[in-house]
Amino acid sequence: NAGVTQTPKFRILKIGQSMTLQCAQDMNHNYMYWYRQDPGMGLKLIYYSVGAGITDKGEVPNGYNVSRSTTEDFPLRLELAAPSQTSVYFCASSSGQNLYEQYFGPGTRLTVT
Amino acid sequence: DQQVKQNSPSLSVQEGRISILNCDYTNSMFDYFLWYKKYPAEGPTFLISISSIKDKNEDGRFTVFLNKSAKHLSLHIVPSQPGDSAVYFCAARVTGNQFYFGTGTSLTVIP
Repeated sequence: NAGVTQTPKFRILKIGQSMTLQCAQDMNHNYMYWYRQDPGMGLKLIYYSVGAGITDKGEVPNGYNVSRSTTEDFPLRLELAAPSQTSVYFCASSSGQNLYEQYFGPGTRLTVT
Repeated sequence: DQQVKQNSPSLSVQEGRISILNCDYTNSMFDYFLWYKKYPAEGPTFLISISSIKDKNEDGRFTVFLNKSAKHLSLHIVPSQPGDSAVYFCAARVTGNQFYFGTGTSLTVIP
């Protein structure tokens, strides 16, 4: 049972480039989330999903897109990367029975220069 | 606008003593509160939660207290152990499954 996995662990992007951060979970959780954590700050919710085919915006969705075609995968797409998107990105999941206990992946550290 | 605030960036405590981490919030629509623990280079891990209709929840060495009138919650760790040294995040949920996190408190437990 791998839990929540994220790839890549690190990435450096140039301004204007695009990339997809991958997230997968093997716990059959319906709920999945993407957060970003800037230095010295708390986690901020970017997007979340309550099941395959259903996504919704969180607190800071601008500059990002998501899709949820399967229960297991929840990729986060960055289009036209900007320096303000330099951050650590965490993916998380939770079950319908216990929404409040989120399981987090190890994070992806992204630098945009 | 930070809806969940942790005003103490760091806390040091002797091993065996009590650690008290504090959190304040502004949104009265929060219905659930949580504490997460985070080690460097890892994702946060869930510690304990409390519903807004309760004022205390206990799990082993960890107890969370909620004071709704003051919009304040606290996490008590007794006794503190060196392995508890980590960053602790307070979080809160509004209906619709949106979670808001505080900025974290770095706890150091001194052996």
